Amino acid sequence: EVQLMASGGGLVQPGGSLTVSCAASGFSLSSYWMHWVRQAPGKGPEWVSRINQDGSMINYAESVKGRLTTSRDNAKNTVFLQINSLRADDTGVYYCVRDLREFNYWGQGTLVTVSS
Amino acid sequence: QSALTQPASVSASPGQSITISCTGTSSDIGAYKYVSWFQQHPGKDPKLLIFDVNIRPSGISDRFSGSKSGNTASLTITGLLADDEADYYCNAFTSSFTHVFGTGTKVTVL
Repeated sequence: EVQLMASGGGLVQPGGSLTVSCAASGFSLSSYWMHWVRQAPGKGPEWVSRINQDGSMINYAESVKGRLTTSRDNAKNTVFLQINSLRADDTGVYYCVRDLREFNYWGQGTLVTVSS
Repeated sequence: QSALTQPASVSASPGQSITISCTGTSSDIGAYKYVSWFQQHPGKDPKLLIFDVNIRPSGISDRFSGSKSGNTASLTITGLLADDEADYYCNAFTSSFTHVFGTGTKVTVL
């Protein structure tokens, strides 16, 4: 069974940092582009980042560029998203998503709350 | 990269058809065939309905169809059902090698 389990969310103070992880099972992570998509409460999804199969190509949304770092460890079937200089508008559920086309699969997201 | 523009809401009666538009630019929708559509029910994860403008994944009803003309993509739902009441989002690949979602459309089945 295909599963994507995100973890590492929580309550963080403004200006802090956080790393969210996403563990894949039931398929080989190394075969797919992986994306991070976040969704603020009551809002639509916002694409934030993608990473190619071997990690050699990474792209970020302009709104987060410079504060986010996406990486992957195919041996551990895991992708990571590090968020620095957290702001209130970073609050939301962070999803790791396999492909946005034919092989699309959304994992269980993890909630990140930025508040003092 | 600004969000793609969708109508905030669309409503129709059961059995009718609706079309949701998604307007972008020549740097995203107009540039590539990579437009996807997602359905999201309250409290649920988004579900892929259409990819590559007009291709339905396995298991998606043929009541859902997609198209594109210039910088605007469209999702049409025919034979509207109560379960189609949800939020719908388009997504497109851009010339900056990023993706962008639409502003979202709330579909109400009267």
